[in-house]
Amino acid sequence: NAGVTQTPKFQVLKTGQSMTLQCAQDMNHEYMSWYRQDPGMGLRLIHYSVGAGITDQGEVPNGYNVSRSTTEDFPLRLLSAAPSQTSVYFCASSLTGTNNSPLHFGNGTRLTVT
Amino acid sequence: AQSVAQPEDQVNVAEGNPLTVKCTYSVSGNPYLFWYVQYPNRGLQFLLKYITGDNLVKGSYGFEAEFNKSQTSFHLKKPSALVSDSALYFCAVRVPTDSWGKLQFGAGTQVVVTP
Repeated sequence: NAGVTQTPKFQVLKTGQSMTLQCAQDMNHEYMSWYRQDPGMGLRLIHYSVGAGITDQGEVPNGYNVSRSTTEDFPLRLLSAAPSQTSVYFCASSLTGTNNSPLHFGNGTRLTVT
Repeated sequence: AQSVAQPEDQVNVAEGNPLTVKCTYSVSGNPYLFWYVQYPNRGLQFLLKYITGDNLVKGSYGFEAEFNKSQTSFHLKKPSALVSDSALYFCAVRVPTDSWGKLQFGAGTQVVVTP
């Protein structure tokens, strides 16, 4: 079972460059989300989606865009990378319709912006 | 606003000794509480959750957590720690009446189990 798959695993960008972090899940989960992990700050929610065609902002959405055209995919776009976006990014998914579903995480994308 | 605190950056314990990782929360309403574990270079893995009912929740890998409403705490425990339990542990909280995406994570506690 693949679960949640994130690509790439590592990425180095220069300031101002753009890129898309890919996330796919094969569990037919309605809910998908993006978090960033920074030392001493835990995980902070960037954007989330409760189903195809529906997205919403989390705690730290600035500088990031998302779309959800299919149930399986939830890409995260950085339009103009900044050094402050250097972080480890995690995609997570879960069943919707209940607030107690645990999240299933991908293995992360480590992004460095120089 | 909801928040969750993990007061210890790191917990050190000898193998075979009891392990406790502390978590306190501040929410309006009844919380849903979760513990996750992260091994190096991996995503978070679900350990256990408290929704309602018994205050002592049992989870994966021999872990359990005790919900204490009066102290607003949800401490993670394991009676006998293993070296393989060394990892980063996160507490998280969600309020049922809040928007679906609002899962708040603590800063994490690094657990180091020495042989």
